[in-house]
Amino acid sequence: DTGVSQDPRHKITKRGQNVTFRCDPISEHNRLYWYRQTLGQGPEFLTYFQNEAQLEKSRLLSDRFSAERPKGSFSTLEIQRTEQGDSAMYLCASSFRDGNQPQHFGDGTRLSIL
Amino acid sequence: AQSVTQLGSHVSVSEGALVLLRCNYSSSVPPYLFWYVQYPNQGLQLLLKYTSAATLVKGINGFEAEFKKSETSFHLTKPSAHMSDAAEYFCAVSEGSGGYQKVTFGTGTKLQVIP
Repeated sequence: DTGVSQDPRHKITKRGQNVTFRCDPISEHNRLYWYRQTLGQGPEFLTYFQNEAQLEKSRLLSDRFSAERPKGSFSTLEIQRTEQGDSAMYLCASSFRDGNQPQHFGDGTRLSIL
Repeated sequence: AQSVTQLGSHVSVSEGALVLLRCNYSSSVPPYLFWYVQYPNQGLQLLLKYTSAATLVKGINGFEAEFKKSETSFHLTKPSAHMSDAAEYFCAVSEGSGGYQKVTFGTGTKLQVIP
């Protein structure tokens, strides 16, 4: 069990630029989740995949955000035309399909918008 | 809709003292409940989970939590605080149906341990 891996750990970019983050889940897990966490808050759900299918998206996920999991393994989260309000920690988690299985989190990508 | 309320955004305890972090939940169905810990610049690590088995749940690092349905609470405790327990703790609730577990997190409680 190598854990959930996220890359990069930190990203600093100028407002208006596009950014892409990658998440590699635990290999046996078929569910993958993206969360956003701002200072002083708990993680807020963005979207989740079961295998390669994106099954739910939060209202937080504006049309500037897109997530993919093309082969049911790693996932990418892209933010287009970044805004100051996008500055946050973006967390990825994975789990088995069963409802009572906990989610295992990566260490996150911290995005800072200049 | 499910929700979680963590009472106290900051809690300070002396090293060796009892740790009590409070969590109340709201759920329309029997919930699954979780406590996670987060150290600075890291992701969340699962401490323990309640999934309708024993109401007293033991987790890692000496933590435990008791599910009280009548009080809709799931408070986290540890008999004796260590310096290494200083971190942020999140309570979470899940009421997934059909196998999907939508998880809602509380706003977190930062635990400070005073030497």
